[in-house]
Formats: sequence, structure tokens, C-alpha cells
Amino acid sequence: EPEVTQTPSHQVTQMGQEVILRCVPISNHLYFYWYRQILGQKVEFLVSFYNNEISEKSEIFDDQFSVERPDGSNFTLKIRSTKLEDSAMYFCASSEDGGTEAFFGQGTRLTVV
Amino acid sequence: AQSVTQPDIHITVSEGASLELRCNYSYGATPYLFWYVQSPGQGLQLLLKYFSGDTLVQGIKGFEAEFKRSQSSFNLRKPSVHWSDAAEYFCAVGPWGTSYDKVIFGPGTSLSVIP
Repeated sequence: EPEVTQTPSHQVTQMGQEVILRCVPISNHLYFYWYRQILGQKVEFLVSFYNNEISEKSEIFDDQFSVERPDGSNFTLKIRSTKLEDSAMYFCASSEDGGTEAFFGQGTRLTVV
Repeated sequence: AQSVTQPDIHITVSEGASLELRCNYSYGATPYLFWYVQSPGQGLQLLLKYFSGDTLVQGIKGFEAEFKRSQSSFNLRKPSVHWSDAAEYFCAVGPWGTSYDKVIFGPGTSLSVIP
């Protein structure tokens, strides 16, 4: 069964460092998303991406964040200068049509120290 | 304001017992409702969804949920819980014909299953 895969599963980084979280969406999907879940809190929408551009972003997704689809298969989330409060589980998701169902990856746990 | 509440942070049930996880929402438009499950080390898996039609929705793994508009609820049920059902369960709501950037997740209910 096709699935969304994320790497790494766990990343530890020092405050101020740049991190790139990687995702391989399901191959025929056209809509891509990043969400995050701070420990003990809700899953929150960060950004959606369609047709090689951001279609929506939340207030959380400030200038420190960027997304890219560098080739036909990967979808990345970059945090330019990490802060302690960026520590969270980050989920990538993809959807074929943007509406009926999104498939989520297993998440990357980011720990900023 | 749009919101999703899951009143139970943690529930423990015995294997074979029935289960009901509660979800209440506040939403101005016709809602599109979801239940997701997150097993340890796994991603979010869609259990079921509802946007119209029969208010009792069947999902995967033997789960069902009932939409009650008058109570703004979408509770998840399973008649007989298995040890493998131990996981975190998230209720979510979005606008009808939703785009996933509009979906709001609840805080989750952690389910433990004792033998």
C-alpha cells in the first residue's frame, strides 16, 4: 500500500541551527502539507503546497520556515534558525485531490537543545 | 470560534470491553468530520470520515462513529477492543468539501488496553 515516508524519524539539533525535514509523498498525489504537534498539544496546520507553490500557511509558518519540492518525489520543510519552541513532532501529509483524504507520514520528532 | 474538544485525555479499557471516545465540535458551517488514530511510532491513519448521508459511519478496524448534529458530537465507538487498539485518537473537523489546510484537530485521547 502506498504510504508517505518521512526522514529522519528523530532529529536533535542545537538552537540556531538549520534543519531540513524530508518527506516522500505518495507518488500520484498533488497536494502536500506539513503539520506539527508540540508534545501534549494539538496537531496544527503549518503549510499546504500545490502546483509548486504555497497555497496556504498558518501564523506559525513565519519567515524561519520554508518548503520546497526540489525534485519529483521529495517535499521538504526547512527551519532556518531553530528555536527551543520548534521542538515538536512534524507530520507530512499528501492528498490526491486536496479534499477527500490526506495520508500522513509517521512523523519526525525534532528536539532543539 | 471553530474548535474541537475531546473531553477525555486518557481512557483505559479492558480487552474485549466496548469503547466510546467522545468528540464535540464548534463549527459555523456544515462540518466534515474525521477520526484519526496514531499508533506508537506511526503516522496518523484515517479511521473514518463523515460529511453527509447516514449519520452512522463505519470505518476500518471495526470502528464506527455517529454524527449527532443537535449535540455537535461525533463519538467514536468499538464494540470489543483489542490490545492493538492502544493508541492516540484524534477527532478533526473541516469545512464541507474541505481542503486539508482548514482541518482542525482535537487534542487527542490516549487509549490504554489492559489484558
